[in-house]
Amino acid sequence: GAVVSQHPSWVICKSGTSVKIECRSLDFQATTMFWYRQFPKQSLMLMATSNEGSKATYEQGVEKDKFLINHASLTLSTLTVTSAHPEDSSFYICSATTSGGSYEQYFGPGTRLTVT
Amino acid sequence: DAKTTQPPSMDCAEGRAANLPCNHSTISGNEYVYWYRQIHSQGPQYIIHGLKNNETNEMASLIITEDRKSSTLILPHATLRDTAVYYCIVRVVGTGNQFYFGTGTSLTVIP
Repeated sequence: GAVVSQHPSWVICKSGTSVKIECRSLDFQATTMFWYRQFPKQSLMLMATSNEGSKATYEQGVEKDKFLINHASLTLSTLTVTSAHPEDSSFYICSATTSGGSYEQYFGPGTRLTVT
Repeated sequence: DAKTTQPPSMDCAEGRAANLPCNHSTISGNEYVYWYRQIHSQGPQYIIHGLKNNETNEMASLIITEDRKSSTLILPHATLRDTAVYYCIVRVVGTGNQFYFGTGTSLTVIP
């Protein structure tokens, strides 16, 4: 089946630094990728929709200058958390849909970000 | 915004059927019902989806009421590995169409 990977699986960074998270579709081409964040004991919250070769569409309340999303190829999207602060500590999950009309979203395993 | 309502938690005895309800009273005619589950600290896993007919696959069955305002996910023989948070989502089919997750149901399978 379709596999989505994320790298790194966990990262610790210092406050004020930036961190990049990669999302890759391993065996299919993903025209659309999505980024979510999840706080402990809460549900997934959609942050943005990323289409290959175009600017991401951010959900209301998500700062696009803080969460930079790049979808440069059909198999890779990146999320960069800029000037990270402790409140950005969260579980970040990406998902992808195929270009062939699949009805499913395939989710990555998630990246645990801790900002100290 | 999520358009579904689910009970926050349920228990089920191992080996018994787990029936997880979901209300989606404002569902539109072109919206599908999807079910995903999330085991602790992992990405969500697809289970099943349907439009109006009941569906079955190797993991579960999906029963959708005739008016489509509610549905039930059935795990026929629950195992301890089925302990997870189960999310019911309604969505218009299309590669660019988003999922909005509700609060889900935390299912605990008891030995």
